[in-house]
Amino acid sequence: SQKIEQNSEALNIQEGKTATLTCNYTNYSPAYLQWYRQDPGRGPVFLLLIRENEKEKRKERLKVTFDTTLKQSLFHITASQPADSATYLCALPNTDKLIFGTGTRLQVFP
Amino acid sequence: DGGITQSPKYLFRKEGQNVTLSCEQNLNHDAMYWYRQDPGQGLRLIYYSQIVNDFQKGDIAEGYSVSREKKESFPLTVTSAQKNPTAFYLCASSSGRTLYGYTFGSGTRLTVV
Repeated sequence: SQKIEQNSEALNIQEGKTATLTCNYTNYSPAYLQWYRQDPGRGPVFLLLIRENEKEKRKERLKVTFDTTLKQSLFHITASQPADSATYLCALPNTDKLIFGTGTRLQVFP
Repeated sequence: DGGITQSPKYLFRKEGQNVTLSCEQNLNHDAMYWYRQDPGQGLRLIYYSQIVNDFQKGDIAEGYSVSREKKESFPLTVTSAQKNPTAFYLCASSSGRTLYGYTFGSGTRLTVV
């Protein structure tokens, strides 16, 4: 069956460093992948979309890569700030809907 | 401002009662979705609707019901048949193509007392 895996352990990094989050998937051949940010007690917010023919996508301090051979997407936040602390979810299309990973909690400390 | 509104933010229900969660959007989106989120778990799809007067079951539809009588509204009823209803419920909408991503509401936290 189709499966999305994100590291369930929280990622703790120091302010100014680069945070790297991983999204792995199996039994999928998605045409694209999306990343969302979710703050506690709030709904997820769409951040970035990357298509299967794009190796890399950037938006300000965010960078996403998509390796369809490895079946993996990496989400990077450069020059991280405490305000970046949140849970980040990846999502893939499954026919007419999205399937979400469990998310990885990022904690950036001063 | 366009957006998606869920109400109430917190809801308490006695066992054996049905309760309805509201979801309204003014984004002119065709598709709407209901997800459930439990601690440490991902978003699980309950029901979704691509068009007015039509909806489909998601992965965990048992114990829930929905209606889509208007494009703007997609209420979710948690029935007494739902064995473990305490959770965070999220409503989302999209233009109908998942490519453009979902817009989520701020959620309703339901607690059974």
